[in-house]
Amino acid sequence: ETGVTQTPRHLVMGMTNKKSLKCEQHLGHNAMYWYKQSAKKPLELMFVYSLEERVENNSVPSRFSPECPNSSHLFLHLHTLQPEDSALYLCASSPTLTAIANYGYTFGSGTRLTVV
Amino acid sequence: AQSVTQLDSQVPVFEEAPVELRCNYSSSVSVYLFWYVQYPNQGLQLLLKYLSGSTLVESINGFEAEFNKSQTSFHLRKPSVHISDTAEYFCAVSERNTPLVFGKGTRLSVIA
Repeated sequence: ETGVTQTPRHLVMGMTNKKSLKCEQHLGHNAMYWYKQSAKKPLELMFVYSLEERVENNSVPSRFSPECPNSSHLFLHLHTLQPEDSALYLCASSPTLTAIANYGYTFGSGTRLTVV
Repeated sequence: AQSVTQLDSQVPVFEEAPVELRCNYSSSVSVYLFWYVQYPNQGLQLLLKYLSGSTLVESINGFEAEFNKSQTSFHLRKPSVHISDTAEYFCAVSERNTPLVFGKGTRLSVIA
């Protein structure tokens, strides 16, 4: 385990379904991130949370809805997705939003999402 | 805004041969540079980083990267690769502690 746990590891959902991805970290970090990893494309930063407040939303469609109830947990709620949303969704954390230089990020193993 | 270009999407190399994975970045300010590695079915793991000081940085498993400011590059090298180095490698940049921006990744395949 890397310290950041993502569940489920795999998810297949229809376009009309509603599902949620979960991320949990026990590292005492205060910043958490959602990235989307698609084949042959750079990792796309989706959302950034610092101390449970959303500080960045990179023009992500509203069918993706993040939630950060506390500094240890991060969710990504999904509804009415499209096939092009199929990807690996990665959660990451860092001690603080500004401690990237010294520590980088700690990533989870990701959730492989397939939209059918 | 910063950006990262990894010129090679796939690099096949024979075991015990040297390898270089190329990374160029674009930024108008000082940056921090990172290399991450992703093994199959896993998340990304930090391999090495450049913050300041010596332009040559090393990892514990034999990789090294050299920061070249004039060429805006941060290429990753290893003098002799092993089968276990087969993975995808991502270069990333951060401007003054902004969220990391990643390249598309380079898939390194080590052939026995």
